Amino acid sequence: DIQMTQSPSTLSASVGDRVTITCRASQTITTWLAWYQQKPGKAPKFLISKASSLENGVPSRFSGSASGTEFTLTISSLQPDDFATYHCQQYNDYSLTFGGGTKVEIK
Amino acid sequence: EVQLLESGGGLVQPGGSLRLSCEVSGFTFRSYGMSWVRQAPGKGLEWVSTIVSGTGGRTQYADSVKGRFTISRDNSKNTLSLQMNSLGADDTAVYFCVKAGGYSNGPGMYYFDSWGQGTLVTVSS
Repeated sequence: DIQMTQSPSTLSASVGDRVTITCRASQTITTWLAWYQQKPGKAPKFLISKASSLENGVPSRFSGSASGTEFTLTISSLQPDDFATYHCQQYNDYSLTFGGGTKVEIK
Repeated sequence: EVQLLESGGGLVQPGGSLRLSCEVSGFTFRSYGMSWVRQAPGKGLEWVSTIVSGTGGRTQYADSVKGRFTISRDNSKNTLSLQMNSLGADDTAVYFCVKAGGYSNGPGMYYFDSWGQGTLVTVSS
C-alpha cells in the first residue's frame, strides 16, 4: 500500500497567518491527491482534488500544490473557521490511503 | 442537495456481527461509486471498502477487513450496506458512508466529495 505521511501533526497559528501542511507519498501518485477538512465531531469536508483543483465553494485562500511525491495545502490567511484537522488522501490505486491528519489549532 | 444517512451502528460483543446501512438522496445513486471510511476514536481516517457504480460487480476491501466485511448496494432503494462479521476491538470506530467525486486511473480509485455524518460502532464485552 502507498503510505501517506503528513506533517506536522499539530500546528499552532494565529488568525491571518499563512499556513502550510505537507503530505508525502511513499511512491509516485502523479497528482491523484485530495484534501479534506474535519471539525470535531463532524464528517470531513472535501476541499481539493487532483492536488490543486479547488472544489466549488471552497474559499480561494485554500490552495494545493505538488512537487514529485510531496504535496502541500496552503491557507494564505488563516480565518477563525479554518481551525480544524486536515487530511490528505491518495487515490492512485485501489487501496486508498489517508495521511495521519494535521490539526491546526489556535496559538 | 446530496444527503447520506448512515444507520445500524451500536455496541456489539467481540466476534459478533453488525450491518450498517446508508440511505442516500440528492443524486443518481446507481451512477456513482461508493465507499465506507472509518475513524477510530482520536485517530485518522481509514478507507474500509469500495463498490463501483452500476450493479456493483466490482468491490475492494482494505486488508484489515478482507474476508470479514461485505459491501453491497441496492440501487432500487438508494441504499449502501456494509455487513461486518467477526468484529474485534480494532473495528471500533465511526463509520462514514462516502460518495465518489471522481477517479484517477479507473473506477474504484476514488476521492470523495460527500460524506455522511457517521455511525459509531463499538466492539466491547
